[in-house]
Amino acid sequence: DTAVSQTPKYLVTQMGNDKSIKCEQNLGHDTMYWYKQDSKKFLKIMFSYNNKELIINETVPNRFSPKSPDKAHLNLHINSLELGDSAVYFCASRGGSSYEQYFGPGTRLTVT
Amino acid sequence: RKEVEQDPGPFNVPEGATVAFNCTYSNSASQSFFWYRQDCRKEPKLLMSVYSSGNEDGRFTAQLNRASQYISLLIRDSKLSDSATYLCVVTVSGFQKLVFGTGTRLLVSP
Repeated sequence: DTAVSQTPKYLVTQMGNDKSIKCEQNLGHDTMYWYKQDSKKFLKIMFSYNNKELIINETVPNRFSPKSPDKAHLNLHINSLELGDSAVYFCASRGGSSYEQYFGPGTRLTVT
Repeated sequence: RKEVEQDPGPFNVPEGATVAFNCTYSNSASQSFFWYRQDCRKEPKLLMSVYSSGNEDGRFTAQLNRASQYISLLIRDSKLSDSATYLCVVTVSGFQKLVFGTGTRLLVSP
């Protein structure tokens, strides 16, 4: 069973559209994250939720809105997509006092 | 200045070689340190933690120098399967936030 899963794996869309990416973890972890990895492979945290509560919100345009319906799910909705949003978006989770984060397989978003 | 800096490489080495990667971090309040590995078009995975006393896991040895804010990873007897990007990672705010370096790419050739 996949520990951290994301859908879709690939997403190609046009500028101005609105899209969502979903993430689910079956590890029983309390904390989930969204990261963005750009074309230069730089991986940067965007958001973090702990038990459905937002705890980290980096400097991200407000077109990006995370939602955590329960602690096993963290979705990312993006409004008015721009060319610069093209990247790989990774979801991750972490449990309790452990430092290790488990990453999902990534969603490759291409905005044309 | 980036919070975590690494030489992007690539490091091209033959099988069996020893290779070392370095990393510096700017936030003296960083608390924990790690090396993650990322294969091409895959997600990052934890390789090992880094402790002040130095630690070893098979062919991999990690070192931390808090005074110099410097982290290293040594790979001995390189295998073809070691080809990947190695990401230096530090934490701030406890374990909540990981800050990644840009990664060092390693290519091991036969």
